[in-house]
Amino acid sequence: DAKTTQPPSMDCAEGRAANLPCNHSTISGNEYVYWYRQIHSQGPQYIIHGLKNNETNEMASLIITEDRKSSTLILPHATLRDTAVYYCIVRPAGNQFYFGTGTSLTVIP
Amino acid sequence: NAGVTQTPKFQVLKTGQSMTLQCAQDMNHEYMSWYRQDPGMGLRLIHYSVGAGITDQGEVPNGYNVSRSTTEDFPLRLLSAAPSQTSVYFCASSTMALGAQYFGPGTRLTVL
Repeated sequence: DAKTTQPPSMDCAEGRAANLPCNHSTISGNEYVYWYRQIHSQGPQYIIHGLKNNETNEMASLIITEDRKSSTLILPHATLRDTAVYYCIVRPAGNQFYFGTGTSLTVIP
Repeated sequence: NAGVTQTPKFQVLKTGQSMTLQCAQDMNHEYMSWYRQDPGMGLRLIHYSVGAGITDQGEVPNGYNVSRSTTEDFPLRLLSAAPSQTSVYFCASSTMALGAQYFGPGTRLTVL
């Protein structure tokens, strides 16, 4: 199963774009990239997912490189409520999700 | 539409006791799963189910049993609780079509 590597922590100024990177160099051709976040001790919340094209929804944008070995989650205008741990996950065909330790994003006023 | 519900929210057990953590979803999702999260760690998959009557092991299945008799319910049983099972337990569900997983609010379990 493809593993992901994320920086352990990042800061972002309120109102600025938050760009969260993820490396997944061993990803297979049929594996999707998913992003979730966990605010404090709540259950994780789905953000976005994609295969190879860039994706955008009301929460964020997902940029996947052409070789699919890395991706970036973009929160276009970070707010204090976006302070959370963000998980990048590669989903293998077997329907199992493997969470790593994620990136702890702190949005600074 | 309540989404994914979990009971209880908090539980304290003594070593050796058994208990069942309840999970239910009202979205008619085929896929359900249980995770545990230890302090400062990511989530680890315990067991999952792709439909009623079908279950499989995840990353850390030892000490836990599951069954799936209906689409809606996916209980997790601790057979003989140990202090190492002190954790926060999350249940999740999704459609099988590579969709988003929806998580419950979690059960905070302490084993003394």
